[in-house]
Amino acid sequence: GNSVTQMEGPVTLSEEAFLTINCTYTATGYPSLFWYVQYPGEGLQLLLKATKADDKGSNKGFEATYRKETTSFHLEKGSVQVSDSAVYFCALTLNTGNQFYFGTGTSLTVIP
Amino acid sequence: NAGVTQTPKFQVLKTGQSMTLQCAQDMNHNSMYWYRQDPGMGLRLIYYSASEGTTDKGEVPNGYNVSRLNKREFSLRLESAAPSQTSVYFCASTSLTGAGTDTQYFGPGTRLTVL
Repeated sequence: GNSVTQMEGPVTLSEEAFLTINCTYTATGYPSLFWYVQYPGEGLQLLLKATKADDKGSNKGFEATYRKETTSFHLEKGSVQVSDSAVYFCALTLNTGNQFYFGTGTSLTVIP
Repeated sequence: NAGVTQTPKFQVLKTGQSMTLQCAQDMNHNSMYWYRQDPGMGLRLIYYSASEGTTDKGEVPNGYNVSRLNKREFSLRLESAAPSQTSVYFCASTSLTGAGTDTQYFGPGTRLTVL
């Protein structure tokens, strides 16, 4: 089947620390991959995406590279800020399907 | 563009009461979705509508019904609320062109408590 597995949280980092949130997937077809972010009390919003192998999605200093050989899409940021505190969701969708598959979310707290 | 809107934002029900959660999008998207979000469970799909006039069950449809009223609106109904339905409910929409670049757009959520 189709599924997304992401690292357990919560993650707590100091400001300016390096961030990695791991995400791996299984898919019956050829997926597009996404990272969504959810700030407290809000809905999810798209952070970045990649639609084919070796593509790198980037936005607001965050990056993730679509690795087909390791079925991974890890989220990274070189220097986190307090304003990055949120829950991050990895997700996939297939070209041939109607559904999106989300991971369980990773909560990030950045302390000054 | 308002994007995806949901009403109400908060609701408290007693066990056995019914209610309808409303969702509307103004992006001319053909596909719409209802999810619930529970601590430690991430997002779970309740129902979705790939296009106007069609609806399909997701992962956790029991206790819910949906109506795709028109292209813009997709409502979720709880006929007889139970405490297990206490959750945050999100509506989402996407154009779903099949090109693999589709992005889901989410509403702000409805926080439902069933006593």
